[in-house]
Amino acid sequence: QKEVEQDPGPLSVPEGAIVSLNCTYSNSAFQYFMWYRQYSRKGPELLMYTYSSGNKEDGRFTAQVDKSSKYISLFIRDSQPSDSATYLCAMSAGWGGGGADGLTFGKGTHLIIQP
Amino acid sequence: DVKVTQSSRYLVKRTGEKVFLECVQDMDHENMFWYRQDPGLGLRLIYFSYDVKMKEKGDIPEGYSVSREKKERFSLILESASTNQTSMYLCASSFGNQPQHFGDGTRLSIL
Repeated sequence: QKEVEQDPGPLSVPEGAIVSLNCTYSNSAFQYFMWYRQYSRKGPELLMYTYSSGNKEDGRFTAQVDKSSKYISLFIRDSQPSDSATYLCAMSAGWGGGGADGLTFGKGTHLIIQP
Repeated sequence: DVKVTQSSRYLVKRTGEKVFLECVQDMDHENMFWYRQDPGLGLRLIYFSYDVKMKEKGDIPEGYSVSREKKERFSLILESASTNQTSMYLCASSFGNQPQHFGDGTRLSIL
């Protein structure tokens, strides 16, 4: 069983829609959860970072963590064409991904926002 | 803003060559990482380093080595390049328990 599962998409939605991106995981030791955005031919860019369970909001982005279900989500409100990218979830048991386990990534969801 | 710079965006080498990929960060981060990213496989950790002259193997270290002589610089070395090492290579750095920040990657082709 893979440690982190993420639907690769592509997920195509019209501009202005609410987007929901999700990851499930199996390792109950994961405590740090991140979402990265990666544009074509660029490196991943950190979007959201949460520790343990709960919600975190930053502008149009909301990250949710449900450790009991081993499920994390990223919501994008009022989606824009510039949000079109691949979104990677990442998680770690150790401190911020710098520990011996490093970061475990999902394979990414390719998101397309149609104008 | 954190700046992680990878010396080459695109690189073409031949099988059997020794290849050096360089990464520099400007934020005095103690942690540095090398990943490779392949379609369908995602990001996989090759090596990481907690401090100068320290290194730890990641998930796929075979065929690679690393060097960290200065805090800001972390080099990935392909000892004898092979075609299955054609990939996107990503360097990242972090401070303490903060998240990792990535460079823009080096797209390496081994012919």
